[in-house]
Amino acid sequence: SQTIHQWPATLVQPVGSPLSLECTVEGTSNPNLYWYRQAAGRGLQLLFYSVGIGQISSEVPQNLSASRPQDRQFILSSKKLLLSDSGFYLCAWTISGSASYEQYFGPGTRLTVT
Amino acid sequence: GENVEQHPSTLSVQEGDSAVIKCTYSDSASNYFPWYKQELGKRPQLIIDIRSNVGEKKDQRIAVTLNKTAKHFSLHITETQPEDSAVYFCAACYSSYGKLTFGQGTILTVHP
Repeated sequence: SQTIHQWPATLVQPVGSPLSLECTVEGTSNPNLYWYRQAAGRGLQLLFYSVGIGQISSEVPQNLSASRPQDRQFILSSKKLLLSDSGFYLCAWTISGSASYEQYFGPGTRLTVT
Repeated sequence: GENVEQHPSTLSVQEGDSAVIKCTYSDSASNYFPWYKQELGKRPQLIIDIRSNVGEKKDQRIAVTLNKTAKHFSLHITETQPEDSAVYFCAACYSSYGKLTFGQGTILTVHP
């Protein structure tokens, strides 16, 4: 069966510091991968998606970037964090090339920028 | 892009009552509509979904209906239980890459 991991689970970082969040998926090949952010008490906003290694699409202009160095690894980064980057970051995956769009989320990283 | 509106933002019911959450979407090309349940501090969990070629789908106490003409879909929970208390999100998929646009969520509270 498929499993999705995220780390770290929680992170407290000062403004201006760099960021690296990692997501890995097990049990599937060539998944579509997604990064979402959820602000406190709000809905989920799609930040990036990837349909293959090295293929990244950005949904909103922001202070963040994403990379996919391996088939089942998705990384979210920032060179300098802003206070507004605080939130719950969720990675998700779905089977590519399939009629199914069922999307499953990882456990998330709670980021607090101080 | 797609825009999804979800109502109500909060819903309070007594145990055993039914709960209905409604969503509307803007892009007529959207073809997949999932519902997620999120408990406090946890990840969203997919509870039911419906595709654009289906009008209704049921899974035990939950059901989803879709009206493509009016561009709205609804989640129905019958015989609610306290463990149904959570935030529920609807979403619409508007691309072949599986990109989802989410509603703003409904906080459901089921009182024993």
